[in-house]
Amino acid sequence: AQSVTQLDSQVPVFEEAPVELRCNYSSSVSVYLFWYVQYPNQGLQLLLKYLSGSTLVKGINGFEAEFNKSQTSFHLRKPSVHISDTAEYFCAVTHNSGNTPLVFGKGTRLSVIA
Amino acid sequence: NAGVTQTPKFQVLKTGQSMTLQCAQDMNHNSMYWYRQDPGMGLRLIYYSASEGTTDKGEVPNGYNVSRLNKREFSLRLESAAPSQTSVYFCASSELGREPWETQYFGPGTRLLVL
Repeated sequence: AQSVTQLDSQVPVFEEAPVELRCNYSSSVSVYLFWYVQYPNQGLQLLLKYLSGSTLVKGINGFEAEFNKSQTSFHLRKPSVHISDTAEYFCAVTHNSGNTPLVFGKGTRLSVIA
Repeated sequence: NAGVTQTPKFQVLKTGQSMTLQCAQDMNHNSMYWYRQDPGMGLRLIYYSASEGTTDKGEVPNGYNVSRLNKREFSLRLESAAPSQTSVYFCASSELGREPWETQYFGPGTRLLVL
């Protein structure tokens, strides 16, 4: 079975600074990887996903993530954050075969400080 | 196009009471999901319905039942609520329901407190 570990539960960062949110996964088979964002008092929405091909994936709102198979990681990055990026970010994984439900990490709360 | 809607937004129950959480989507999606979100636990899948007429257990199904009423609606029932079921409940849907790479679309959530 696959699993996801988000290494930081909270990440405070100053506005306009870069940020990296870390995600490691565990799976014995090939995977699809996702980052979802949850703004305060809202449901989750997709930021980006890795299916195949280029290991650098670009998403909405200037975020990108890099798939690293050897390190089983899928870290999320943004070069310059805004106050509006304050939210909780979830990494998720599923197998790339069959209809296997998503497995979510525990989330990382990003707080952008003015 | 409202996307995924959930009712109610908030609910307070006493231990032992029952209630049904409603979810509807207007995107003609095949698959629907119920998750619960607890602090420090992320989202955990309770039940899902890959297509109309089918339901399957997720990671934490105990204490819950579901009904896929039609293609649009997927309800979650708590027959006898317990304090451990205090949580935020999210419904989600995805288009095809047979491809693991599909994006899931989430509702705004139902905040449930069981006293």
